[in-house]
Amino acid sequence: AQRVTQPEKLLSVFKGAPVELKCNYSYSGSPELFWYVQYSRQRLQLLLRHISRESIKGFTADLNKGETSFHLKKPFAQEEDSAMYYCALVGSSNTGKLIFGQGTTLQVKP
Amino acid sequence: NAGVTQTPKFQVLKTGQSMTLQCAQDMNHEYMSWYRQDPGMGLRLIHYSVGAGITDQGEVPNGYNVSRSTTEDFPLRLLSAAPSQTSVYFCASRRGQGSYEQYFGPGTRLTVT
Repeated sequence: AQRVTQPEKLLSVFKGAPVELKCNYSYSGSPELFWYVQYSRQRLQLLLRHISRESIKGFTADLNKGETSFHLKKPFAQEEDSAMYYCALVGSSNTGKLIFGQGTTLQVKP
Repeated sequence: NAGVTQTPKFQVLKTGQSMTLQCAQDMNHEYMSWYRQDPGMGLRLIHYSVGAGITDQGEVPNGYNVSRSTTEDFPLRLLSAAPSQTSVYFCASRRGQGSYEQYFGPGTRLTVT
């Protein structure tokens, strides 16, 4: 079964501290993985995807197939990073299904 | 482009009532989806469509119906509202196969009493 697990409901850090939002997935093939973000009073939007291997707003995420993980990291958190973060998985390019995790609220304190 | 639009923004229903949540996109996207967002549960897929005339069930389809008669519109029908359907509903679209950036609507906050 396709599943995405984000074990932390809330992650609270101080400004300038490193951040790691955890994401684990369950999928038997080669997954496509993404991080979406929802800032307060805004729509969900794509933050980054694993195939592009890019850094957006200082965030990076590496796919670890051995650990079936796709953790989101940032070395120095900023207050504006406070938001809800969702990890998402596309299991098959033919189905159109994008499966999301439970979400983690990141709170960056001044 | 307006992107993905949803109406209404807020709705209160009594148990047993029916209603339709509207979703439209003007980006000529093939794929459209409906999600519900609940605290601690994240985003759960209700129904999705890979093109006009084609729909399929997601994780939590019970109590909801969809149809896709045009590329632009993907309404979600609640047949007989229940308090368990109190949630925030998001519609989303993406271009199609091989394109995975999903564009979300602003959401509809539904309360069933």
